[in-house]
Amino acid sequence: TQLLEQSPQFLSIQEGENLTVYCNSSSVFSSLQWYRQEPGEGPVLLVTVVTGGEVKKLKRLTFQFGDARKDSSLHITAAQPGDTGLYLCAGPLIIQGAQKLVFGQGTRLTINP
Amino acid sequence: DAGITQSPRHKVTETGTPVTLRCHQTENHRYMYWYRQDPGHGLRLIHYSYGVKDTDKGEVSDGYSVSRSKTEDFLLTLESATSSQTSVYFCAISEFRGSGKNIQYFGAGTRLSVL
Repeated sequence: TQLLEQSPQFLSIQEGENLTVYCNSSSVFSSLQWYRQEPGEGPVLLVTVVTGGEVKKLKRLTFQFGDARKDSSLHITAAQPGDTGLYLCAGPLIIQGAQKLVFGQGTRLTINP
Repeated sequence: DAGITQSPRHKVTETGTPVTLRCHQTENHRYMYWYRQDPGHGLRLIHYSYGVKDTDKGEVSDGYSVSRSKTEDFLLTLESATSSQTSVYFCAISEFRGSGKNIQYFGAGTRLSVL
């Protein structure tokens, strides 16, 4: 059972279209993070959202943290081929005093020219 | 760049052989992690370390062991490799930036094939 559920798992759209990726949980998180991963590389942090209802923008990418801090979304406006990659959401957990990060399954995004 | 180096980057081995993957960091981070990445599963935690000689199991630890004898090195060993351990393995370190912010930086990964 995934603590963080991402949808969709695969998305293929044309350049110029808009898209939204969702990250949902039944648990409350103190923050949620979004990473992007390109082939042959490790994930790289895009953004961290901390406050319920928070919206952060990174050029054409808009990240939102749900009011109840159980979900987050990533919206891309006018997608470009350079946005192609695997997008992962992640949330911090402290289990028996140890700091961990739990990841969603990922959304594999393909932007076609 | 958090100065994380994984070696080797690619490895092909045979079932039943032991394999050791190395993660090296240059910035003295306390927490280090080993994940495996498989299609449809995202990143799953194998083992982690919270200091020299302090390690613990993650969610998919069966068949793996780890060691951390120095702050900068975290080794992952597959005691007797099986085909189900064919995967891409990532090492990560944590940076803590205030309450609730566990930011992880990842190495470039090791692609392991067990034949």
